[in-house]
Amino acid sequence: DVKVTQSSRYLVKRTGEKVFLECVQDMDHENMFWYRQDPGLGLRLIYFSYDVKMKEKGDIPEGYSVSREKKERFSLILESASTNQTSMYLCASSLRQGGNQPQHFGDGTRLSIL
Amino acid sequence: GEDVEQSLFLSVREGDSSVINCTYTDSSSTYLYWYKQEPGAGLQLLTYIFSNMDMKQDQRLTVLLNKKDKHLSLRIADTQTGDSAIYFCAESRGRRGADGLTFGKGTHLIIQP
Repeated sequence: DVKVTQSSRYLVKRTGEKVFLECVQDMDHENMFWYRQDPGLGLRLIYFSYDVKMKEKGDIPEGYSVSREKKERFSLILESASTNQTSMYLCASSLRQGGNQPQHFGDGTRLSIL
Repeated sequence: GEDVEQSLFLSVREGDSSVINCTYTDSSSTYLYWYKQEPGAGLQLLTYIFSNMDMKQDQRLTVLLNKKDKHLSLRIADTQTGDSAIYFCAESRGRRGADGLTFGKGTHLIIQP
């Protein structure tokens, strides 16, 4: 089974802090994704990556950056956390072969910015 | 643009069938997905359907796709209390599919005893 592991289930940080959310997958997937989930807004794509050192902006990249130094790890960075970034963050990964494969999700990190 | 619509709530009696509906707008989507999210958890892939199919069955789950109307449905037969969750419909973004998925806002399935 595919395993996508997010480093923290719950995280509390302060406004202005630099925050790192880590995600690791163990199935050698090329594609990795970061979403945020908010009540009434569903899931929105923040950033994604096709391969090591590659990144693409999703729908709401403002205030975030990402790092993909190794194939199995995709980090989401909040450069200067703000209260409107309080949310549930979900990481996902998928294969790229055939151009389309289902995404597999981690359990999420519930981030609170005070 | 891409948009996926689904109703926010569905209430059914235990033992009945549940039908969750979804409409999407991107006709180039090659795959459509159903995910399940239980409280406090991430999204679990339930099933998916390729766009050249009109039906897919997997045990208690039946997916129907009407490509002309861009309508997707998920039927859960013999609904049980463990089926209580949020169900998300999603379509692939772009032909490569590696651009992520566009999700609906999710349907809360409520099971009445």
